[in-house]
Amino acid sequence: DAGVIQSPRHEVTEMGQEVTLRCKPISGHNSLFWYRQTMMRGLELLIYFNNNVPIDDSGMPEDRFSAKMPNASFSTLKIQPSEPRDSAVYFCASSSGRGGEQFFGPGTRLTVL
Amino acid sequence: AQSVSQHNHHVILSEAASLELGCNYSYGGTVNLFWYVQYPGQHLQLLLKYFSGDPLVKGIKGFEAEFIKSKFSFNLRKPSVQWSDTAEYFCAVNDRGFQKLVFGTGTRLLVSP
Repeated sequence: DAGVIQSPRHEVTEMGQEVTLRCKPISGHNSLFWYRQTMMRGLELLIYFNNNVPIDDSGMPEDRFSAKMPNASFSTLKIQPSEPRDSAVYFCASSSGRGGEQFFGPGTRLTVL
Repeated sequence: AQSVSQHNHHVILSEAASLELGCNYSYGGTVNLFWYVQYPGQHLQLLLKYFSGDPLVKGIKGFEAEFIKSKFSFNLRKPSVQWSDTAEYFCAVNDRGFQKLVFGTGTRLLVSP
């Protein structure tokens, strides 16, 4: 199994641009999570899906952030427009629904100039 | 709401020293407990987990953790640390039946050679 796949691994963009982060969960996992990690705020859960349906988006910082999961093998996190304070590492994780163990992807390091 | 406390934010040890990282959670129901490790520049990886049974859980790389229900604690231990254990360690809890993990703020461990 390839594990959770995220792309791109690094993204540098200018303030105001749209950014789309992508995630492919482990095959057979039915839950998907988006996290953001910064030095100041640590690891934050942004949103999670169960069977492709958003269950809890209370961690999404503001309307500039949106996430979709059109099918069981793909999810996107979009920031539009991006701001310098969005600079962080964004992790995607998936879970099979048994016991709660989550498997993390390698992350996308986002830098907004 | 559930919460997880990791009281040690930074720990510095010499090689061969013993390690104990504290983790306390607040939740009265039945929980699953996890320790994740994040090596510099990498994603979170599972060290060990407790679902039920023997409260002393052994994980990878010589780590172990003990679940003490009466103290709502799940402390991580290693008898002799190595330089390669330098990393950030996260304790996490989830309510059984729910997918969402609640993470602690993490403990940064620096092991000097």
